[in-house]
Amino acid sequence: FILTQPHSVSESPGKTVTISCTRSSGSIGSNYVQWYQQRPGGAPTNVIYEDTQRPSGVPDRFSGSIDGSSNSASLTISGLKTEDEANYYCQSYDNFQVFGGGTKLTVL
Amino acid sequence: QVQLVQSGAEVKKPGASVKISCQTSGFTFTGYYIHWVRQAPGQGLEWMGIINPSGDKATYAQKFQDRVTLTRVASTTTVYMEMRSLRSEDTAIYYCARADAYNYYWFDAWGQGTLVTVSS
Repeated sequence: FILTQPHSVSESPGKTVTISCTRSSGSIGSNYVQWYQQRPGGAPTNVIYEDTQRPSGVPDRFSGSIDGSSNSASLTISGLKTEDEANYYCQSYDNFQVFGGGTKLTVL
Repeated sequence: QVQLVQSGAEVKKPGASVKISCQTSGFTFTGYYIHWVRQAPGQGLEWMGIINPSGDKATYAQKFQDRVTLTRVASTTTVYMEMRSLRSEDTAIYYCARADAYNYYWFDAWGQGTLVTVSS
């Protein structure tokens, strides 16, 4: 299956942005979705696991959800800060791990 | 603290092989899977494969099945990724990432990445 993300999104500081991740085949709810943040020049870090869970140290401005009707997962970042500017990747699995193509978030 | 420290950048000629190490510390080595993920310049993340905690089973993405071997050495808590028959398209940053034995799908810590450049 393929995970499809928007190529880019932009929003102003203090606002809320949502990044979608649509699964091409199979149910989005059948396997957990994770989200990773990758700042320029850095390694990815996990911001959401198991659809909605936040690792310790990740601010509660980050939240995850899934929607069976659209077969998609979403990452929502509220109270945007300039430091949130990064690429964001969704990831899920069946027999193999699959990453979405990534979304570049610009905070301007 | 949890650390995955990878070996340094490599420059290889087409057709050569490369072996990257991922030395781990700060956690129970035999309790975690290790994944490998690569990222070509300006591109997204691509999953390559996974090795189980005991090191006796590795699973590879179909694309890498014939060219990549993952191994791990418990005595040094190090995991290795070897790629053979390198081509220019293999130029990328290669990352190791851990996932615990019960949540093998959750990459909760990553190495810093190793740049491999394939050029004649």
